[in-house]
Amino acid sequence: GESVGLHLPTLSVQEGDNSIINCAYSNSASDYFIWYKQESGKGPQFIIDIRSNMDKRQGQRVTVLLNKTVKHLSLQIAATQPGDSAVYFCAGAKETSGSRLTFGEGTQLTVNP
Amino acid sequence: DAGVTQSPTHLIKTRGQQVTLRCSPKSGHDTVSWYQQALGQGPQFIFQYYEEEERQRGNFPDRFSGHQFPNYSSELNVNALLLGDSALYLCASSSLDRVAEAFFGQGTRLTVV
Repeated sequence: GESVGLHLPTLSVQEGDNSIINCAYSNSASDYFIWYKQESGKGPQFIIDIRSNMDKRQGQRVTVLLNKTVKHLSLQIAATQPGDSAVYFCAGAKETSGSRLTFGEGTQLTVNP
Repeated sequence: DAGVTQSPTHLIKTRGQQVTLRCSPKSGHDTVSWYQQALGQGPQFIFQYYEEEERQRGNFPDRFSGHQFPNYSSELNVNALLLGDSALYLCASSSLDRVAEAFFGQGTRLTVV
């Protein structure tokens, strides 16, 4: 089945810098991928999603890139702020599976002032 | 809109006991999924309910069961608790026309002693 994993468990950046969080997936079964942000003591919060037939999608301060050739996606956060400090998860899902998500292990992003 | 609400927020149980966790979905959502999140890991899908029926199930034993009510709220029941069941239990709600955008509650922290 689908498995989703992340390259690095932690990422530390300076405030104002851009952050890039990476994620790899094992097969092409997912119809879309989603990035979630989870702050301490809270549930995951939806950031942005991308369908598997797209290469790039932009949101507010965030961009997700999908490279199907190497089965890799990334989340870019522009002008990282202290409030961006959290654990970031990528998740894959199939259209026919509704909101059944397969999560990776997460990357802890720390933004230093 | 209160979003997804879960209760209780924390509870402690003894091995062998049974527990019931509750979830009220976001207004307008008809699908509820439950996830187990062990410390330092990504959420793992337990099962999903739609139209009061279990539609999908992850790799969890029969000790884990659930229910969905006509108002779309849901319960997660775990019988014969094990120490390894200690985790954050997350409820996510979604609608069929926007399956990628699942909204999570803050979770219930279950500790089994």
